[in-house]
Amino acid sequence: DAKTTQPTSMDCAEGRAANLPCNHSTISGNEYVYWYRQIHSQGPQYIIHGLKNNETNEMASLIITEDRKSSTLILPHATLRDTAVYYCIVSPGLNGNQFYFGTGTSLTVIP
Amino acid sequence: GAVVSQHPSRVICKSGTSVKIECRSLDFQATTMFWYRQFPKQSLMLMATSNEGSKATYEQGVEKDKFLINHASLTLSTLTVTSAHPEDSSFYICSARGTAGANVLTFGAGSRLTVL
Repeated sequence: DAKTTQPTSMDCAEGRAANLPCNHSTISGNEYVYWYRQIHSQGPQYIIHGLKNNETNEMASLIITEDRKSSTLILPHATLRDTAVYYCIVSPGLNGNQFYFGTGTSLTVIP
Repeated sequence: GAVVSQHPSRVICKSGTSVKIECRSLDFQATTMFWYRQFPKQSLMLMATSNEGSKATYEQGVEKDKFLINHASLTLSTLTVTSAHPEDSSFYICSARGTAGANVLTFGAGSRLTVL
């Protein structure tokens, strides 16, 4: 079962930063935080993942609180193509360990 | 990067027939693959975990005799929906994790099944 809670929906103005929160208060010490997004009728796309430290890649930044009970995905300059459902998942990430999806956050980037 | 291919992307079948969906890892070996189902406006629901060379592990409530999974090689897993009914109409998505040490799941583009 999903171990994360996210807001159902959010809006963001084009060109502004989109900050998507996720609560994972029962996360275990060996579990990573993963973020994926799904654009309508496509398969989920990997964005970023982290264990303890903040992470940044070409798509986004991931900020994980010190107690690891919550995290925030930051899209620094949202574009219309970033409109999607964003899923936060916690998993040990090792071979055989499943990814359970929660309800995700539907992000709409507004022109 | 890692690519997972699904085929067919869309399929329409008559009630009572069986449909096979293929999931291939194109540029890496996948010891483990996962099958998901997604109904309209809902999240992805994990159906089963497919391990190369062994039986699949099904999630609670998923009928293993209805959703047959075969993972005969390190690059191919198949899902067969047997005796399909209209309620089986859904978006089926596979994902794969590479060999030792890979933490990231790569997802296919999905297969939309419509049962008439």
